[in-house]
Amino acid sequence: GQQLNQSPQSMFIQEGEDVSMNCTSSSIFNTWLWYKQDPGEGPVLLIALYKAGELTSNGRLTAQFGITRKDSFLNISASIPSDVGIYFCAGQLRGNTGKLIFGQGTTLQVKP
Amino acid sequence: EPEVTQTPSHQVTQMGQEVILRCVPISNHLYFYWYRQILGQKVEFLVSFYNNEISEKSEIFDDQFSVERPDGSNFTLKIRSTKLEDSAMYFCASTTFSGGARETQYFGPGTRLLVL
Repeated sequence: GQQLNQSPQSMFIQEGEDVSMNCTSSSIFNTWLWYKQDPGEGPVLLIALYKAGELTSNGRLTAQFGITRKDSFLNISASIPSDVGIYFCAGQLRGNTGKLIFGQGTTLQVKP
Repeated sequence: EPEVTQTPSHQVTQMGQEVILRCVPISNHLYFYWYRQILGQKVEFLVSFYNNEISEKSEIFDDQFSVERPDGSNFTLKIRSTKLEDSAMYFCASTTFSGGARETQYFGPGTRLLVL
């Protein structure tokens, strides 16, 4: 089946540092989404990308849809303690029922 | 802002018992989904539902699972005879989704199911 490889698996950074994480796949995706999940809660959408090459920002977050449609990255600038959580990429294949395929997640810890 | 809601937030059950997890999707949404997340793992697709029928299901969604939209607002996931490995967080999601336009899938807060 389709798989998304997300890296890094975890990051422990100092407050104020920038963070970068990415997802790659052998499959071509129609949509890339980035979610954040806090403990015991559901994924919350951060950024949605719908077109190859698209670069979208949401405050300190920036994400890009790779030109090949097989990858995406998420950057967080000037991290703050509330950025702590698990970040998931999710891809949606062209022409299917809209199901999302999730990456394994990146656990981010920020030291004040 | 409209949101997906789920009940109960937590459920503990004995192995072999039936459980029903409930979801109220966002009111103008047409596609509904169930996902599960085993503790410490990624979110996995279970089933998608549109126009009162299953449109796609994963290998996880075997004969023990069923979904239903009993009325205009609720969307349920039933597990007929729970197994220990069914212990997970179950998320409901919904979207307007029309196969190409800019829709977004919104997730509920989840139901944590523990099978003893």
